[in-house]
Amino acid sequence: GEDVEQSLFLSVREGDSSVINCTYTDSSSTYLYWYKQEPGAGLQLLTYIFSNMDMKQDQRLTVLLNKKDKHLSLRIADTQTGDSAIYFCAARVRGGGADGLTFGKGTHLIIQP
Amino acid sequence: KAGVTQTPRYLIKTRGQQVTLSCSPISGHRSVSWYQQTPGQGLQFLFEYFSETQRNKGNFPGRFSGRQFSNSRSEMNVSTLELGDSALYLCASSLVASESNEQFFGPGTRLTVL
Repeated sequence: GEDVEQSLFLSVREGDSSVINCTYTDSSSTYLYWYKQEPGAGLQLLTYIFSNMDMKQDQRLTVLLNKKDKHLSLRIADTQTGDSAIYFCAARVRGGGADGLTFGKGTHLIIQP
Repeated sequence: KAGVTQTPRYLIKTRGQQVTLSCSPISGHRSVSWYQQTPGQGLQFLFEYFSETQRNKGNFPGRFSGRQFSNSRSEMNVSTLELGDSALYLCASSLVASESNEQFFGPGTRLTVL
C-alpha cells in the first residue's frame, strides 16, 4: 500500500520561508493534500494538488509536485507565529477501494522569533 | 455553513466498556470517513461511509464498527475497549465519495481508556 514520509520537525525564523517536504511511494496517487493541525484541534485542509499538475500557488502557500521522484513540498512564504502547527501530507490513490487518505506522521513547524 | 461537528469532544472510559462517537457532516456532504490519531501510529483510516453503506474499511479489528444514517450523520462504536484505543478520533466529510473530493475534518473526540 501507499506509504507517506515526512521529516518530524522544521524550525524557521519568523519572516523566512518554510519548506516542508513529503515523499510517497504509490505512483498511482492522484490527489495529494496538505493539512494543518493546531494544538487540540482537528485537521484543516490547506491546499491540494492533482497529480497532473506540477505547481499550485495560493496566497502564501506554494505546492510543488515532482511525480518522477514522488516528492511533494509545501512552501509557506513570510512565515508567521500563527503558522506554528503540525503539517500533514496525505495521498489518495486512484480507484475504488482506496483506503481513504494515507497520511504522513506530520511535520512540527517551529517558529523562532 | 457549519463545519463538521463531533460529539462528545472528550470521553473517559475503562477497559472492557464500549463507546459510541457521533459525527455530523457539513450540510450536503454525503461521505463520512473516520480516522484514529495516536502519537505512535499517526493518522490511520478506519472506515468510510457513503449513502448509509460502508465503502472502504481500514485495517482495524472487528471491535471497531460504524454506521451512517439517512441524514448522513455517522456513528462509530468501539466495543470491549483496550488501553491502546486511547486516541483522538477524527471524522471527515466530503461532498461525494470519490478520490477527487477533499475531506473536511471535525475537531475530533479525545477518548481516554483507563
